[in-house]
Amino acid sequence: ETGVTQSPTHLIKTRGQQVTLRCSSQSGHNTVSWYQQALGQGPQFIFQYYREEENGRGNFPPRFSGLQFPNYSSELNVNALELDDSALYLCASSPTRSGRMVGTDTQYFGPGTRLTVL
Amino acid sequence: AQTVTQSQPEMSVQEAETVTLSCTYDTSESNYYLFWYKQPPSRQMILVIRQEAYKQQNATENRFSVNFQKAAKSFSLKISDSQLGDTAMYFCAFSPPIGNQFYFGTGTSLTVIP
Repeated sequence: ETGVTQSPTHLIKTRGQQVTLRCSSQSGHNTVSWYQQALGQGPQFIFQYYREEENGRGNFPPRFSGLQFPNYSSELNVNALELDDSALYLCASSPTRSGRMVGTDTQYFGPGTRLTVL
Repeated sequence: AQTVTQSQPEMSVQEAETVTLSCTYDTSESNYYLFWYKQPPSRQMILVIRQEAYKQQNATENRFSVNFQKAAKSFSLKISDSQLGDTAMYFCAFSPPIGNQFYFGTGTSLTVIP
């Protein structure tokens, strides 16, 4: 069984640029969530995708957007990068039913992408 | 709004000893899920243990156990027979009963000393 994978591992961008991060969910998982983890902090929820549609969003501006593909993989896009966007971006997949986590579901995390904005 | 608080930024324990990490949370929900995740220097978040609020029995997973006090909204993690591989950042997380996001605390950095 393949776990959650993310690419790239590290990325350096300059302020104002755009970036795309990628995530492949664990086999059999239909829901992908994205989190931003600033240095020394816990992960903060960005949004979740279920069946190719956004299914919940945290307190992040519209320049954070995403996609989910038919194979359940996902992308996180960030436009007009700001210095404060420097963080570890985590993707997590879960085998949710009806787009909502219930019962014994949990989230399985990828290794993250370290984004540095200069 | 749900909040999760971990009041111990750093802790250390001697190898083979027992350590307890604290977590409190705030919610108006009556049913929910609580988790402890471990994040080693490799960065991958690994699920340590999971507790369902409607279950009174504390969850256990080998050397890891929790002390869940629902009325006090407290969810501590006990690690017995600590091993060097337990050195990591530990995050407490809350999930509402039918929700699509996890709320994380700020983490506790645990160091196991040989």
